[in-house]
Amino acid sequence: GQQLNQSPQSMFIQEGEDVSMNCTSSSIFNTWLWYKQDPGEGPVLLIALYKAGELTSNGRLTAQFGITRKDSFLNISASIPSDVGIYFCAGHFTGNQFYFGTGTSLTVIP
Amino acid sequence: DVKVTQSSRYLVKRTGEKVFLECVQDMDHENMFWYRQDPGLGLRLIYFSYDVKMKEKGDIPEGYSVSREKKERFSLILESASTNQTSMYLCASSSSAQGNTEAFFGQGTRLTVV
Repeated sequence: GQQLNQSPQSMFIQEGEDVSMNCTSSSIFNTWLWYKQDPGEGPVLLIALYKAGELTSNGRLTAQFGITRKDSFLNISASIPSDVGIYFCAGHFTGNQFYFGTGTSLTVIP
Repeated sequence: DVKVTQSSRYLVKRTGEKVFLECVQDMDHENMFWYRQDPGLGLRLIYFSYDVKMKEKGDIPEGYSVSREKKERFSLILESASTNQTSMYLCASSSSAQGNTEAFFGQGTRLTVV
């Protein structure tokens, strides 16, 4: 199945810095989703995007649905230690399957 | 609060055993999914179901089967567990409603086959 290209693979940042990650696809999607996964836990949904060009925030997190419908971005502002984890994007078109990115591992150094 | 619950957080099974992983959701979702997650390989779809008694193979169905007798419950069965099935297993569910296509995950089951 298709896997989305997610970058960067990993990030090491200082507490307080901003973070950006993105996902690209060869196919268009109607929905983009962003998840966070803590070690040993299931992914938790952070933000859902349904419209090309849409910009949505959830606290310090902001995500955008790309105009081409083939990409999405997640930004985290003023990172804190509890932001540590793996972040995944997911895309969905018609039909029932979801397609996932390969994940970005975030480490925040206090 | 939406809830997808997997029956076990950790399981250790012997090679050749039949293993059942259970997943229950309380959101009346039509779609349910089973994935396995391995380092460097991301999430891989094993099976999914879009209705009771319906199932579709995902990308890696070999060695697995599923059962969906009730809308809220989706079971993953390892017919004869092997060591290469040691992995993190994740169940998810989603609605079929337009404009509401979000997948919600369970907490995961870490399966070790020895």
